Amino acid sequence: GAVVSQHPSRVICKSGTSVKIECRSLDFQATTMFWYRQFPKKSLMLMATSNEGSKATYEQGVEKDKFLINHASLTLSTLTVTSAHPEDSSFYICSAREDGRALNEQFFGPGTRLTVL
Amino acid sequence: AQSVTQPDIHITVSEGASLELRCNYSYGATPYLFWYVQSPGQGLQLLLKYFSGDTLVQGIKGFEAEFKRSQSSFNLRKPSVHWSDAAEYFCAVGTPMNYGGSQGNLIFGKGTKLSVKP
Repeated sequence: GAVVSQHPSRVICKSGTSVKIECRSLDFQATTMFWYRQFPKKSLMLMATSNEGSKATYEQGVEKDKFLINHASLTLSTLTVTSAHPEDSSFYICSAREDGRALNEQFFGPGTRLTVL
Repeated sequence: AQSVTQPDIHITVSEGASLELRCNYSYGATPYLFWYVQSPGQGLQLLLKYFSGDTLVQGIKGFEAEFKRSQSSFNLRKPSVHWSDAAEYFCAVGTPMNYGGSQGNLIFGKGTKLSVKP
């Protein structure tokens, strides 16, 4: 149980285009999901906290208009990288916290490798 | 502010040898602590977690960790390392929901890369 999927696993796009990444909790409901970014050989940096039915909470320094988050259901959150540029190339990982489960335990997706040419 | 420090960037051990990965945290209350493992190009897998109770926590794949409040540490150990353990290991501290406005997010250390020699 407690599986989180991400789609796509890998995407290559041209500079200036937008890319949508989906994060799904497959066997549980998740009011809250998190989006992280990981640079090569670096730790995970929290970008934003996604809450079903309300606006996402962005961490300081993360551009809301560039990284659009939509959490339209209890099992799906999407991250759209708008007008992508090469510096947006990174590994994006989402996690979900199961509703009703104690405390902070999060379940992580397998990640999405974004390459912007 | 909450923070997590993993002092070792890269550790190499021989297969069959014991392993200890260090993690220190800074936190103003009782922490929730986690160890995750990440293989190249993959997401994170939870090894073990500490919320309360017994300070020695058993996890998957033969790993264990000990919470030492006096040292603000949560070191990860394994008595005998296998080649398949080579990966990146992350320690994380969880902030309780509604503590300082938190929504229960995790703060990660910078990771320790483990290499295993044959």
